[in-house]
Amino acid sequence: EPEVTQTPSHQVTQMGQEVILRCVPISNHLYFYWYRQILGQKVEFLVSFYNNEISEKSEIFDDQFSVERPDGSNFTLKIRSTKLEDSAMYFCASSAARQGGRYGYTFGSGTRLTVV
Amino acid sequence: AQSVTQPDIHITVSEGASLELRCNYSYGATPYLFWYVQSPGQGLQLLLKYFSGDTLVQGIKGFEAEFKRSQSSFNLRKPSVHWSDAAEYFCAVGSNDYKLSFGAGTTVTVRA
Repeated sequence: EPEVTQTPSHQVTQMGQEVILRCVPISNHLYFYWYRQILGQKVEFLVSFYNNEISEKSEIFDDQFSVERPDGSNFTLKIRSTKLEDSAMYFCASSAARQGGRYGYTFGSGTRLTVV
Repeated sequence: AQSVTQPDIHITVSEGASLELRCNYSYGATPYLFWYVQSPGQGLQLLLKYFSGDTLVQGIKGFEAEFKRSQSSFNLRKPSVHWSDAAEYFCAVGSNDYKLSFGAGTTVTVRA
């Protein structure tokens, strides 16, 4: 079964450093998403991406965050200057249809980001 | 705005016993409802989804869920749990746009 692949599985970074989380969505999917889950809290929507631009973003997704599809297979989330409160599990997801909210997505296994 | 409430933070069940996880949603139109499972160290795996038709939905791993519009609920059930069902379970609601709104999750512990 096709998978969404995320690397690394765990990343530790110093506060103020830039991090890039990487994802390889399912190859024929066109819509890409990032969600995050702070320990003990809900899984929260960050951003959706289609046709090389952001479709929607949450209030969490401020200027410190950016997304990019640098080539035909990767989808990245960059956090420019990490804060302690950015420590969370970050999930990448993809869907074939625009209406991911209707049909659901395929999620990756997540990257646990720890900011120290 | 859509939202989901999972009233039970933690449930402990004996192996072989039945399991029911509660989910209540808030959404103005026809909701699209999902249950995901997250095993330790793993990602979110889709168990089942509902968006129309039969209100009793069958999923993977022997799970089923029933949509009850009058109660705004979408409870997940399994008749006989296995130790491998120990995990965190998330209910989510979607709409005709991009995002899902998740509940806070219910952690299931299975005792021998």
